[in-house]
Amino acid sequence: DGGITQSPKYLFRKEGQNVTLSCEQNLNHDAMYWYRQDPGQGLRLIYYSQIVNDFQKGDIAEGYSVSREKKESFPLTVTSAQKNPTAFYLCASRTDRAANTEAFFGQGTRLTVV
Amino acid sequence: GQQVMQIPQYQHVQEGEDFTTYCNSSTTLSNIQWYKQRPGGHPVFLIQLVKSGEVKKQKRLTFQFGEAKKNSSLHITATQTTDVGTYFCAGPFSAGGTSYGKLTFGQGTILTVHP
Repeated sequence: DGGITQSPKYLFRKEGQNVTLSCEQNLNHDAMYWYRQDPGQGLRLIYYSQIVNDFQKGDIAEGYSVSREKKESFPLTVTSAQKNPTAFYLCASRTDRAANTEAFFGQGTRLTVV
Repeated sequence: GQQVMQIPQYQHVQEGEDFTTYCNSSTTLSNIQWYKQRPGGHPVFLIQLVKSGEVKKQKRLTFQFGEAKKNSSLHITATQTTDVGTYFCAGPFSAGGTSYGKLTFGQGTILTVHP
């Protein structure tokens, strides 16, 4: 069953701890994306990767880090430097890094920092 | 930051009324996409527009791309309760530098439909 999987669905962390969100896809897509969504807000781009071993900062990269060691995986680390990390995080992928294909989203991870 | 403005931010309608959301860019776009996110869900792709002046229809939904490829709209005729959700435009919007491969979303329009 092809798709994009984010885990866990809900995540709780103490303030000051780093946390890594998982995103895996078996769609053989080149491009992958991480977005942050706050209640009633739009999607803001954190990082994106068009190919393995390469990634670019999005509009709100500060306090986040990513890696793209495998085509299937694009984990996002929320560091303690992120001042307001509580949010809904969405991962997406698409086949064409030239930007003319639809994006497929995972179910999202809701991160709560206490 | 983003160079795209999506309006309105919220829209409340009675079932059966029409609904329109607009997406405006300060720069010419190579393409624009539209997504729908149901409450508690994730965005789902609806359509992509590429050509200047393009109009596409999906049942009660009509999508338009402006002649200058700087704006787009989504119109829903005779809304139903199943239309509830947030509608986003998306594209290679960029505040500067290369936008190659980038996929940025508008702020979204939250639609509520009263039965």
